[in-house]
Amino acid sequence: GENVEQHPSTLSVQEGDSAVIKCTYSDSASNYFPWYKQELGKRPQLIIDIRSNVGEKKDQRIAVTLNKTAKHFSLHITETQPEDSAVYFCAASRGFGGGSQGNLIFGKGTKLSVKP
Amino acid sequence: GAVVSQHPSWVICKSGTSVKIECRSLDFQATTMFWYRQFPKQSLMLMATSNEGSKATYEQGVEKDKFLINHASLTLSTLTVTSAHPEDSSFYICSARGGERDLYEQYFGPGTRLTVT
Repeated sequence: GENVEQHPSTLSVQEGDSAVIKCTYSDSASNYFPWYKQELGKRPQLIIDIRSNVGEKKDQRIAVTLNKTAKHFSLHITETQPEDSAVYFCAASRGFGGGSQGNLIFGKGTKLSVKP
Repeated sequence: GAVVSQHPSWVICKSGTSVKIECRSLDFQATTMFWYRQFPKQSLMLMATSNEGSKATYEQGVEKDKFLINHASLTLSTLTVTSAHPEDSSFYICSARGGERDLYEQYFGPGTRLTVT
């Protein structure tokens, strides 16, 4: 089955700096890679996702890159703000169809702290 | 759009009793629903996947007789924790995928915090 590794487990940056979180996956059939932000006691919130037909996607201060050959994808947050402080999870999925239910397999999470 | 609710948001029960958690898709038909468990400071672990009208598919290591899942309609799935024990205390989160809406994205409920005393 799929295995997703996420690094680092904790990340502390100064406000305004960039933050990068990296994930690797094992299942070459995975083709959907979302990133979630989770605040304490709340549901995971999708912040950006990428599908295997593209290598990079950007949404304002957030970007995700995907290298299917190396089986890794990364989250980049620029100009970090204190409100970006949260736990971030990467995930991988085959999507629905072809015998797959679209299960998401999550990384272990990265606790990001942005210091003012 | 794409709103998923859970009820209750928190529950405290005594050891040995059963607890039912509801997951509803409010504005779309959820052909597939997923149940996750999240222990403090840990990641989301998939427990089971259910499709409307059929038996749930449980992940390895999850006891199907202890965690009963019923996906009775296209808008409702329930998780019943039977004979709960303190080690079942956790944050339970459901998510739903909506038919032709999207083959990939899942919409998460707000979670239910279960405490077994």
